[in-house]
Amino acid sequence: SQQGEEDPQALSIQEGENATMNCSYKTSINNLQWYRQNSGRGLVHLILIRSNEREKHSGRLRVTLDTSKKSSSLLITASRAADTASYFCATDRESYIPTFGRGTSLIVHP
Amino acid sequence: GAVVSQHPSRVICKSGTSVKIECRSLDFQATTMFWYRQFPKKSLMLMATSNEGSKATYEQGVEKDKFLINHASLTLSTLTVTSAHPEDSSFYICSARLSGQGDYGYTFGSGTRLTVV
Repeated sequence: SQQGEEDPQALSIQEGENATMNCSYKTSINNLQWYRQNSGRGLVHLILIRSNEREKHSGRLRVTLDTSKKSSSLLITASRAADTASYFCATDRESYIPTFGRGTSLIVHP
Repeated sequence: GAVVSQHPSRVICKSGTSVKIECRSLDFQATTMFWYRQFPKKSLMLMATSNEGSKATYEQGVEKDKFLINHASLTLSTLTVTSAHPEDSSFYICSARLSGQGDYGYTFGSGTRLTVV
């Protein structure tokens, strides 16, 4: 069954704008990860945030984690057309098996 | 960094034939690899966990006789879709985790697009 669920399912913005995606999950986690997938390709790991962390940055990416609400957000600042992709959150179940949500499809218009 | 190579990237086969997909960890040893299936605009569905030297652990609803997994070495796991049918057409992705690399998440192969005609 799905553990993480991303919201919105689709997001369309203009280049330069910020993109925010949310992820909700159901059970306790060890960590939460965000991945990017270009069409027809594998997933690329973007960032991992541990359950005892609240915020993490990596370049133009900012991830927050609220374990009390069982939610996380991914913010991409100053978006570029090359950021167009699907973004997935994944949580580690027991035995560190990642479980994925349905993803957010992001389109950045040049 | 850790690299997982998946081959082939695309394969078209006839109904009733078998297809083997390889997943290799190129610069690290992976005692555990994961196989996912992804339908269009859908999430990745975990099919099975591949354990080196032992039997794979299949998720509920995944036919183990249909999707044969072999993890004979620390760098190679294979998924064989046996007696393929058009409904097996999908995007299959493998992944592995470099142990001790706590902040690097999982490394994924580039995926295999299987089309059964």
